[in-house]
Amino acid sequence: RKEVEQDPGPFNVPEGATVAFNCTYSNSASQSFFWYRQDCRKEPKLLMSVYSSGNEDGRFTAQLNRASQYISLLIRDSKLSDSATYLCVVRTSGLSGGSYIPTFGRGTSLIVHP
Amino acid sequence: EAQVTQNPRYLITVTGKKLTVTCSQNMNHEYMSWYRQDPGLGLRQIYYSMNVEVTDKGDVPEGYKVSRKEKRNFPLILESPSPNQTSLYFCASSLSQSAQPQHFGDGTRLSIL
Repeated sequence: RKEVEQDPGPFNVPEGATVAFNCTYSNSASQSFFWYRQDCRKEPKLLMSVYSSGNEDGRFTAQLNRASQYISLLIRDSKLSDSATYLCVVRTSGLSGGSYIPTFGRGTSLIVHP
Repeated sequence: EAQVTQNPRYLITVTGKKLTVTCSQNMNHEYMSWYRQDPGLGLRQIYYSMNVEVTDKGDVPEGYKVSRKEKRNFPLILESPSPNQTSLYFCASSLSQSAQPQHFGDGTRLSIL
């Protein structure tokens, strides 16, 4: 079982819709969580970190549920420019204790249409 | 402009011919890493470096080498490339291993025939 699982989609939504993605992780010792955005044929870029209490950045809301071991990303009022792949990243302390191994999910594809 | 620069952007080569993909960052970042991205598998870390002369294996290091002789450069070396190393490669850097964001280069698309 992969450590970080995401529904690959694609999620096909009209402009203005609200869409939510989930990402589950298997290692309960995971410590840090992030959402990255990757446009087609481009490099990933940090969208937002995910904090235990949940956090919001404009139309984007990220939440962490440690008990159920998942994080979520909610996008409100979708724009055409939100079309991209959203990568969940989970960071866990390595065996040596001092390192933090980032594990990327496979990504969820979002297509926002007019 | 703060950036991570990879070269080449595209390369088609043949099995067994040694190649190096260069990565350079101008942000004085301590942490650098290499990833490969394959359809259906996502981004997987190949090697990382916490500082000059400090490198360690990621999840998929087989068939790759790296070096970190200077802070700004972190080349990825394929001594004897094979077709299963055909992939999209990204170099990334950050202030430290625990810092975000990681800044990614534009990617290098390698095809090994």
